[in-house]
Amino acid sequence: GAVVSQHPSRVICKSGTSVKIECRSLDFQATTMFWYRQFPKQSLMLMATSNEGSKATYEQGVEKDKFLINHASLTLSTLTVTSAHPEDSSFYICSARDIAGTSYNEQFFGPGTRLTVL
Amino acid sequence: GQNIDQPTEMTATEGAIVQINCTYQTSGFNGLFWYQQHAGEAPTFLSYNVLDGLEEKGRFSSFLSRSKGYSYLLLKELQMKDSASYLCAVRDIGNTPLVFGKGTRLSVIA
Repeated sequence: GAVVSQHPSRVICKSGTSVKIECRSLDFQATTMFWYRQFPKQSLMLMATSNEGSKATYEQGVEKDKFLINHASLTLSTLTVTSAHPEDSSFYICSARDIAGTSYNEQFFGPGTRLTVL
Repeated sequence: GQNIDQPTEMTATEGAIVQINCTYQTSGFNGLFWYQQHAGEAPTFLSYNVLDGLEEKGRFSSFLSRSKGYSYLLLKELQMKDSASYLCAVRDIGNTPLVFGKGTRLSVIA
């Protein structure tokens, strides 16, 4: 299957700093990427849909000014958590769909980024 | 809106068979997915159903009934490595992202 990478895999930062997470589709092009967040023992919650060349679409309750998303190319989307606070500590997972993919448009997931805000 | 429901936890014995159920209510339907997720890792794709019936893939099978808004994942010949969370996810009509249920944590015991 297709490969999605995320960087960094783990980050620890101080409260008030900003953290950038990169999501790359390595062997396919993705016009759309999705950012999910997962708290311990809970399921994946969609944060936003990232569209190449246009503004991201945020889910209700997700602050667009706090979680900045940029999808500058067909293989790269970035999520920046601005002025991070301890409650932002979570597992962030990106997902991408191959524009030339299977008939059921499978979503491929990155390995996730564990963010810990002290 | 969308509502996806599955049991929180299940325990089964090594070598046995376990069935994980998922019920859903969505405004539109364009497929149901099952994913496996080990702790601290990303979900990995297991199966996809869009038509009624059973899809079999090795030790794993998935069933769908669209009229009942119901699916199950069947795991046969359980192995210890099958201990993980199993996520049911539904796609609405169009180029929409998957919406996940809360996941079922399966523990396989000797």
